[in-house]
Amino acid sequence: NAGVTQTPKFRVLKTGQSMTLLCAQDMNHEYMYWYRQDPGMGLRLIHYSVGEGTTAKGEVPDGYNVSRLKKQNFLLGLESAAPSQTSVYFCASSPWAYEQYFGPGTRLTVT
Amino acid sequence: GENVEQHPSTLSVQEGDSAVIKCTYSDSASNYFPWYKQELGKRPQLIIDIRSNVGEKKDQRIAVTLNKTAKHFSLHITETQPEDSAVYFCAASKRGNNDMRFGAGTRLTVKP
Repeated sequence: NAGVTQTPKFRVLKTGQSMTLLCAQDMNHEYMYWYRQDPGMGLRLIHYSVGEGTTAKGEVPDGYNVSRLKKQNFLLGLESAAPSQTSVYFCASSPWAYEQYFGPGTRLTVT
Repeated sequence: GENVEQHPSTLSVQEGDSAVIKCTYSDSASNYFPWYKQELGKRPQLIIDIRSNVGEKKDQRIAVTLNKTAKHFSLHITETQPEDSAVYFCAASKRGNNDMRFGAGTRLTVKP
């Protein structure tokens, strides 16, 4: 039982490049979330999903897209990366709307 | 939208002392208040949470208190140990995780 995993762990992008971050969970959780964490700002919710095939915007959705084609996977896409998107990205999952379990994080640098 | 402020930003205590971290929130409709612990380079982990129908909740050395009238809630850690050293985040929401707003964090250092 791996819990919540994230791929990749680290990535460096040039401005304008695109990439997809993968979050996978093996706990059969309905809810999944993507956050970004910046120094001195805590965690901010980007997008979330309350079930397979559904997605919704969080606090800071601009510049990101998501998809939840399979219940166990939640993908976060950056179509045209900007330096302001340099951050640590955390995925989380939850069996209901409370008590979420976080993945190990992805450190993204955009130059 | 909801705004959560957390104080202090850093806190240093001696092993065995108590530590208190305070948070205020702006939206009176918020009803869920979790606390997360994040060790250096690790993922955040939920350590305790409280709903708005409860004024206090305890779990061993950790307790959370909620004052809905004043719109503030606090984390209390008693008999602190070096392994309590971490960054602690408070959060508030109306719809569970789906609209959660986090505080900026408190870096707690417990000196042996």
